[in-house]
Amino acid sequence: EDKVVQSPLSLVVHEGDTVTLNCSYEVTNFRSLLWYKQEKKAPTFLFMLTSSGIEKKSGRLSSILDKKELFSILNITATQTGDSAVYLCAGYNFNKFYFGSGTKLNVKP
Amino acid sequence: KAGVTQTPRYLIKTRGQQVTLSCSPISGHRSVSWYQQTPGQGLQFLFEYFSETQRNKGNFPGRFSGRQFSNSRSEMNVSTLELGDSALYLCASSLLWSPGGGDTEAFFGQGTRLTVV
Repeated sequence: EDKVVQSPLSLVVHEGDTVTLNCSYEVTNFRSLLWYKQEKKAPTFLFMLTSSGIEKKSGRLSSILDKKELFSILNITATQTGDSAVYLCAGYNFNKFYFGSGTKLNVKP
Repeated sequence: KAGVTQTPRYLIKTRGQQVTLSCSPISGHRSVSWYQQTPGQGLQFLFEYFSETQRNKGNFPGRFSGRQFSNSRSEMNVSTLELGDSALYLCASSLLWSPGGGDTEAFFGQGTRLTVV
C-alpha cells in the first residue's frame, strides 16, 4: 500500500531554534516529493523535489530528497513565530498525490 | 489567474442531513482531488476526478460521493451526515501528466469548514 509518513507529529520550539521535519514514503512509480505549509486553510506550496541529493532552498527553509532511502527532510533555521504551521509532505507518481498527516510546528517567542 | 475556489466557506448542518460542496479548479486544470482534514486524522484522501471520471477513491463510506462536470468543476456530496463528518474539506486541482511528462503540484482551495451538530 502506498503511503507517506511524517514525523514528528508535533513539535514545540523557541524562536531561533533549527528544526528538521521528516517525511518517509512508499509510493509506487514515485516521481516527486512535495512540501506544503498550512497556516490556516489552504496549504501553500514550498518545494518540489525530484532528484536525490540536490538541496532546494528558499530563505531559511531547505529540503532534500534521498530516493535510495525513500525519505525527505525539511529544515527550518532561525525559526520565527510565523513559521508556526502544519507542514505537509506528499509523494506524487503521475497518478495521484499521497499526503502524510503533517507535522504541527509551534514556534514560541 | 484565479486560484482554486471552494464554496461555501462555512456550513453548519444537523445530523442526518446531506450537504453538497463545490470546487472550481484553476483554469486549464482537469484533475480535482478532495480531502478531509481533521485534527485527529490529518489530511485524508477522499477521491480524485479527471475528465469527469473518478480515477481514485479513498477509504470512505458510500455516503461520500462526488462528480466532475465538463468544465472541470467538481462537487462533493455527503449524505446522512454524522457528527464525525465535521471537518475542513479541501479540494486541490492539478495538471496531471502522463509518465515521461512534466512535473506538477497540487493547488489547494481555502476549504469548506463543515460543522455537523
